Amino acid sequence: RKEVEQDPGPFNVPEGATVAFNCTYSNSASQSFFWYRQDCRKEPKLLMSVYSSGNEDGRFTAQLNRASQYISLLIRDSKLSDSATYLCVVNMEGYQKVTFGTGTKLQVIP
Amino acid sequence: GAVVSQHPSRVICKSGTSVKIECRSLDFQATTMFWYRQFPKQSLMLMATSNEGSKATYEQGVEKDKFLINHASLTLSTLTVTSAHPEDSSFYICSARWQGLEQYFGPGTRLTVT
Repeated sequence: RKEVEQDPGPFNVPEGATVAFNCTYSNSASQSFFWYRQDCRKEPKLLMSVYSSGNEDGRFTAQLNRASQYISLLIRDSKLSDSATYLCVVNMEGYQKVTFGTGTKLQVIP
Repeated sequence: GAVVSQHPSRVICKSGTSVKIECRSLDFQATTMFWYRQFPKQSLMLMATSNEGSKATYEQGVEKDKFLINHASLTLSTLTVTSAHPEDSSFYICSARWQGLEQYFGPGTRLTVT
């Protein structure tokens, strides 16, 4: 089983729609979680950290479910500019490195 | 957010030559820098973790003699691809850790070996 798994998509959604992605992780000792966004042929950019209590930043909401070992990202009122690949990132406390998921591709359609 | 630069952004070289890629944290001192490689339609793959003043830690399967990493200061790390071959053609991205565990990425270097 991969350490971090994501549905590669693509998720094709109309503008204004709400879309959600999940990411599962295999190591129960994982402590820190992030969502990054990567545009085609560009570097990843930090979208948001994922806190145990969940967190919201504008149209974006991130949740952590430790019991089922997954994190989620919800995007409301999708914009064309949200089209990108969303990478789930997991870190085990005490380890320097993080593990990236393969990403979920989102395409918002006019 | 923190700014990381990478140079060059694009390089084409002949098989057998060496290429050096620089990664700089511009407005912060990075405790740790990372080097990743990404092939088309694939995920980022960590190559090595670099701490200033110490030897890099390479991931399994990454040849340390082929991918030389030097972390001379808290703001600069370099990756040298030695004796490059066409299969080394890829998108190389560095990242730097500032506070916490978030990583800030450079814009990447697209290497093409002919």
